[in-house]
Amino acid sequence: AQSVTQLDSQVPVFEEAPVELRCNYSSSVSVYLFWYVQYPNQGLQLLLKYLSGSTLVESINGFEAEFNKSQTSFHLRKPSVHISDTAEYFCAVSVGGTSYGKLTFGQGTILTVHP
Amino acid sequence: EAGVVQSPRYKIIEKKQPVAFWCNPISGHNTLYWYLQNLGQGPELLIRYENEEAVDDSQLPKDRFSAERLKGVDSTLKIQPAELGDSAVYLCASSLRDREYEQYFGPGTRLTVT
Repeated sequence: AQSVTQLDSQVPVFEEAPVELRCNYSSSVSVYLFWYVQYPNQGLQLLLKYLSGSTLVESINGFEAEFNKSQTSFHLRKPSVHISDTAEYFCAVSVGGTSYGKLTFGQGTILTVHP
Repeated sequence: EAGVVQSPRYKIIEKKQPVAFWCNPISGHNTLYWYLQNLGQGPELLIRYENEEAVDDSQLPKDRFSAERLKGVDSTLKIQPAELGDSAVYLCASSLRDREYEQYFGPGTRLTVT
């Protein structure tokens, strides 16, 4: 079975500062990796995904994540955060096949951006 | 495009009482999911439907939980009887069948069992 660990439960940061939200996974088979985001009073939504190909993936709002197979990590980064990035971020993994839609989520990281 | 709709948003009941949650997925989404989210944790899958068929219910506590998706659209999740430990947020999500990793979540129902 696979598992996901998000190493920080809360990350406070000032506006325009860089941020990294850490995610490590455990699986005995190949995985697909995702970051979901939950803005205040909204449902979770997909932020970015790694399925195959380039190990560096980007979102439309400036976040990026890099799949590192040797370190079993999929950390989320942004070089300069905005107040509007305040949200809870969840890392998730799927192993594909008949379990393609079965997402295993991490515990979540609350990112708070201060002015 | 309307998102995933869930009702009620909040529910407070006494232990041993029954409770039901309703979900209306995004139009055209074949696959529907029910998740449980405890405080400070990520969502955990309870059951996954493809159309009206439950294809993965291995994590659903069948002694007290039941779910149905009649006609392959709306779905209902029921708990009977509820226990104190069932207090949590119940999330519904939906996706297209060939993009199951891209799930669209509803706002959830926050259940408090007293």
